[in-house]
Amino acid sequence: EVVMTQSPATLSVSPGERATLSCRASQSVNSHLAWYQQIPGQAPRLLIFGASTRATGIPARFSGSGSGTEFTLTISSLQSEDFAVYYCQQYNDWRKTFGQGTKVEIK
Amino acid sequence: EVQLLESGGGLVQPGGSLRLSCVTSGITFSTYAMSWVRQAPGKGLEWVSGISSSGDTTYYADSVRGRFSIFRDNSQNTVYLQMNSLRAEDTAVYYCAKARDAVVVVNTAFDCWGQGTLITVSS
Repeated sequence: EVVMTQSPATLSVSPGERATLSCRASQSVNSHLAWYQQIPGQAPRLLIFGASTRATGIPARFSGSGSGTEFTLTISSLQSEDFAVYYCQQYNDWRKTFGQGTKVEIK
Repeated sequence: EVQLLESGGGLVQPGGSLRLSCVTSGITFSTYAMSWVRQAPGKGLEWVSGISSSGDTTYYADSVRGRFSIFRDNSQNTVYLQMNSLRAEDTAVYYCAKARDAVVVVNTAFDCWGQGTLITVSS
């Protein structure tokens, strides 16, 4: 099973600042990497797939990069609605494992 | 508009059974693989099970294999999760999720999610 490790567990950021989230895979997942945003009490929402392609309707301030085992989600200028938990997920393997999540909170 | 609506959650005793349903609308259901993902209280996301668009291929997490069964009825636009021999650690919100890419089962993310249904396993 591919183990996904996210860092940091919590990220404290001021509105308008940049946030950088990391995700590491225990083995190569090529570019089969997605990022999801989850606001408390809501279902997850797809942000990025294919490591760097924004899903439909996702603002340009969200960007993804990486391939193989190292991936990054960048939020260029945090808005109030971006404070949430973010999960990476690999889908290179049929066991579509998630990272443990990074909580982005208001500093 | 794509919609996924789960139902069937509730309180069940350890060792009991429950069947979840996820009715979809706004998509050509028979062309998309579907999955179930769960989230224990205060915890992260765990992929549970997946099924191909035709229903002939299924996948299970090790934690549920042999106890849970996924199946679908393409004529009813519905995917199901039959859960048997339930344990306390199965307590979670269960989400159904749609594959982003038609026909693809493995190499595709989840682009639509239901609102979730809560399963509580407790005596």
